[in-house]
Amino acid sequence: AQSVTQPDIHITVSEGASLELRCNYSYGATPYLFWYVQSPGQGLQLLLKYFSGDTLVQGIKGFEAEFKRSQSSFNLRKPSVHWSDAAEYFCAVALSGGYNKLIFGAGTRLAVHP
Amino acid sequence: DADVTQTPRNRITKTGKRIMLECSQTKGHDRMYWYRQDPGLGLRLIYYSFDVKDINKGEISDGYSVSRQAQAKFSLSLESAIPNQTALYFCATSDPSGQGSYGYTFGSGTRLTVV
Repeated sequence: AQSVTQPDIHITVSEGASLELRCNYSYGATPYLFWYVQSPGQGLQLLLKYFSGDTLVQGIKGFEAEFKRSQSSFNLRKPSVHWSDAAEYFCAVALSGGYNKLIFGAGTRLAVHP
Repeated sequence: DADVTQTPRNRITKTGKRIMLECSQTKGHDRMYWYRQDPGLGLRLIYYSFDVKDINKGEISDGYSVSRQAQAKFSLSLESAIPNQTALYFCATSDPSGQGSYGYTFGSGTRLTVV
């Protein structure tokens, strides 16, 4: 069955530290890949997406993600976290060339210590 | 005005009541979606619609129905609300054009509590 796994439910980092949020997917074909962020009480905002080409993609707010086909992963990174990055982060996939339904992971909640 | 507007923002209703959540969009997209968010489960797809005449069930459609009144409007109904339908509900639209952006635009959500 198709699935998206975010292994870490909660992550806490210190402000200024680096961050990596993990995402693994299970699909027969290469999907389109996304990361969304949800700030408290807010809707979802697209951070970045991968369709094809360069496997390292840059997004908004200083985030980047790397697609690794061999590991079926699309991990999100940021070199230096800011207190305002505290939020919930969702990895999502959509089958390429299809009806672009998004399938979401369960999310990772990020806390940032001062 | 927001691209995707959901009403109401918050609602408390009693078990057994019928309730409708409304969504309207100004993106001009044909594709619209209803998702439900529960803690630890992420967002799960309830229904989706690729145009006014095309409505499809998602992974958790039981207990829900939808109506696509126009390209811009997509409503979700709970015919007889039950407490385990307490959740945060999101409406979304997506770019229909081929590879396009595939970027979804989400509404701000409706927090529904069934008591």
